[in-house]
Parts: sequence; C-alpha cells; structure tokens
Amino acid sequence: DAGVIQSPRHEVTEMGQEVTLRCKPISGHNSLFWYRQTMMRGLELLIYFNNNVPIDDSGMPEDRFSAKMPNASFSTLKIQPSEPRDSAVYFCASSRGRQHYEQYFGPGTRLTVT
Amino acid sequence: AQTVTQSQPEMSVQEAETVTLSCTYDTSESDYYLFWYKQPPSRQMILVIRQEAYKQQNATENRFSVNFQKAAKSFSLKISDSQLGDAAMYFCAFLPYGEKLTFGTGTRLTIIP
Repeated sequence: DAGVIQSPRHEVTEMGQEVTLRCKPISGHNSLFWYRQTMMRGLELLIYFNNNVPIDDSGMPEDRFSAKMPNASFSTLKIQPSEPRDSAVYFCASSRGRQHYEQYFGPGTRLTVT
Repeated sequence: AQTVTQSQPEMSVQEAETVTLSCTYDTSESDYYLFWYKQPPSRQMILVIRQEAYKQQNATENRFSVNFQKAAKSFSLKISDSQLGDAAMYFCAFLPYGEKLTFGTGTRLTIIP
C-alpha cells in the first residue's frame, strides 16, 4: 500500500507569495494531521482533521495559514502571504482513528521563503 | 501540559553494539500510548515501535525494544546489533487518549563503523 503522499517535496518562494502544500493520506485512515518542524521549535501540530472535519486548529500560527480537507483522500495547507519565518519542513500524517492509533508520516515538504 | 524529555541530544555506538536512548514524560493521565519515531537524513518520520500504557509487557520489534517503567514515567529504546542504517534522529512521542501527540526534542544517533 502507498504511504502518505505529499507534494511538492521542495518549495522555494518569495515573501508575499501564496504557497499551497498538498497531502494524500493512507487509504482507510480517517484522521489527518499537519505538522511543522523547525530547529527552534521542533515538531509542532498545526491542525488535525477527523472524517474530513477540522477538530483542533489551535496550533495554526495565524490567519495567514489555512487548511482544508474537501474529501477523505486529499488535504491542503495554504500560506498566504508567506513570510521568511514560515520556512520549515511541513509534514502530513494520517492514522486509523481519532488520535488513538499510531500516525504515519509523509516525506514532508521543505519550504523556503526568501 | 504534557512534556516529553530526551536528555541525550547526541549518542554514538559502535556498529553491532547495543545502545539505549532515554525518554521521560510528565503526565497525570493513566491511559496513553508511547512511540519512538526515527528520522533519517531523508527526513521521513518512520514509526519504530509503539507501547500501550496498560500493557506491562515491553514492546519489541526485531532489534528494537523498549523498557517501559510507568511509575517512573520512563520509556527508553534499546537498539541491539546496531547497523549503519540505524543512524538517524530518534524522537520519543507521547499520546494521551483524545489528546495531541507530543514529541521530545530528539536524540541524534551516530553509528561508528
């Protein structure tokens, strides 16, 4: 079975531009998570969905960040406008249950905002 | 708030030897899961092993095993017969029921040929 798929793997953009990260969870998993990893703050949970519904977005840094999950097989994380401090690796993960099972991570998207 | 502490920022071990990575956590919960994740240079987060708090038996996955001490809130990872491919960052993670997954700061493991 395919694991969690993320695209793009690398993204370089200029400050002020819109960035969209994409994720396809493992088939049959009904929970999806977006994380951000930086050297300073480690791994942070940004938002998670259960059955396509956002359950907790308290980790979303500010209004510039938004996430959607229009169906069970696709989610996006959008940053508009992007800033240099958004540079990080963004991971998507999925699990079978509502946080009660192990999470499987995608390969991550390395975002660089210049 | 839950906290996870990995007190060893870096560890090294000779190939084929055994190494133990430490992890402690702070919680008032009685039911939870604990995990070890591996992050090699490719940056992919790979699940290594999982432990349910209600189980007294320590989890084992091939060369990887844990020493789970619930009263001490300790969850160490033992890697036996270390291989070059084990070189990575290792993250301990804590998941109380219905809550968020909290990661430690990681331990960078180097394998010496």
